[in-house]
Amino acid sequence: EVQLVQSGAEVKKPGESLKISCKGSGYSFTTYWIGWVRQMPGKGLEWMGIIYVGDSETRYSPSFQGQVTISADKSISTAYLQWSSLKASDTAMYYCARREVRYSGYVFDIWGQGTMVTVSS
Amino acid sequence: QSALTQPPSASGSPGQSVTISCTGTSSDVGYYNYVSWYQQHPGKAPKLMIYEVSKRPSGVPDRFSGSKSGNTASLTVSGLQAEDEADYYCTSYAGSNNFPVLFGGGTMLAVL
Repeated sequence: EVQLVQSGAEVKKPGESLKISCKGSGYSFTTYWIGWVRQMPGKGLEWMGIIYVGDSETRYSPSFQGQVTISADKSISTAYLQWSSLKASDTAMYYCARREVRYSGYVFDIWGQGTMVTVSS
Repeated sequence: QSALTQPPSASGSPGQSVTISCTGTSSDVGYYNYVSWYQQHPGKAPKLMIYEVSKRPSGVPDRFSGSKSGNTASLTVSGLQAEDEADYYCTSYAGSNNFPVLFGGGTMLAVL
């Protein structure tokens, strides 16, 4: 079964660092892009950035450039989203998703279950 | 880059049809036939429903259809069912010079 499994919920304090993960299985992880999406409580979906796992080429949405770091370790089929200094406004659900390369444009066909990040003092 | 524009809500009775619009610009929706639609139930991850404007992935009912005219794409749900009540988001490819994909703000579909 093709799937993305994300790490569990996190509760952190402002200023702390955090790295959440997204592990792929059931397909060739290194030949796909993985995207990260933020969903703040009660709000819509926002693209944060995407990474091509094969060579770690990364693109960030302008709103998130410099705010987060996206990386991947192809040896363990895992992509990461990390913060160096969390803010309360980072409280959100974060999803990873696989870009299906058979479809034109940027189409994301497999999604992780989401990781809830809560930042509170 | 601005997000794509969707109506915040839409509604219909069981068995009826409802259409959700997604308006972009001549640089994204109007230029590329690369519009996708995602369905999201409360507390769940998004699910791909339509890609490349009008194509359905395997397993998506043919009650869901997509189209495009000019800078506006549309998702039509025919024969509404209770389980269709969800949020729907459109996305469009926006070219390689920018961050390549945009989201719409989402439309909450209510089945009355």
